[in-house]
Amino acid sequence: DVKVTQSSRYLVKRTGEKVFLECVQDMDHENMFWYRQDPGLGLRLIYFSYDVKMKEKGDIPEGYSVSREKKERFSLILESASTNQTSMYLCASSLKGYFRFNEQFFGPGTRLTVL
Amino acid sequence: DQQVKQNSPSLSVQEGRISILNCDYTNSMFDYFLWYKKYPAEGPTFLISISSIKDKNEDGRFTVFLNKSAKHLSLHIVPSQPGDSAVYFCAARTQGGSEKLVFGKGTKLTVNP
Repeated sequence: DVKVTQSSRYLVKRTGEKVFLECVQDMDHENMFWYRQDPGLGLRLIYFSYDVKMKEKGDIPEGYSVSREKKERFSLILESASTNQTSMYLCASSLKGYFRFNEQFFGPGTRLTVL
Repeated sequence: DQQVKQNSPSLSVQEGRISILNCDYTNSMFDYFLWYKKYPAEGPTFLISISSIKDKNEDGRFTVFLNKSAKHLSLHIVPSQPGDSAVYFCAARTQGGSEKLVFGKGTKLTVNP
């Protein structure tokens, strides 16, 4: 079974702090994604990566950056956390294919609260 | 601009009956559609998908129907079980130009014993 793990289930940070959310997958997937889920808004793509050191912006990249130094690990960075970044953050991975957005495997999510 | 719409935020059905979850889309460039199920405190899990060249795909109790002319797809669960209670997300992928995956807002299904 594909396993996608996220470093924290719950996280509380203060405004202005630098926040790191870590995601690791164990199935050698090329593609990795970061989403946020907010009530009434569904899932929105922040960034994705299709290879080590490669990244592309999603729909809502502002205020975020990412890092992918190893194939299995994809980090989401909030350079200076703000209260409007309070959300559920979901990491996902998928196999490389002709299309990037095929079946994705999601981690359990990190609920981040910024005070 | 909400390209993928799940107009029912919630749905309640009796165990053993059929659950029908609906999804409408506006972008004719969508070529592939997926359904995900999400339990509280867990990430979404892939359920079933359908390509735009088909109008039906079946997997056990789950069937997805696609009506391209109406830009409408639906997920049928027969028979519904209490363990099916979850939030269901519809997602659609574009093929032309910049590839994108767009999620609906989700429908919360409750199956009552």
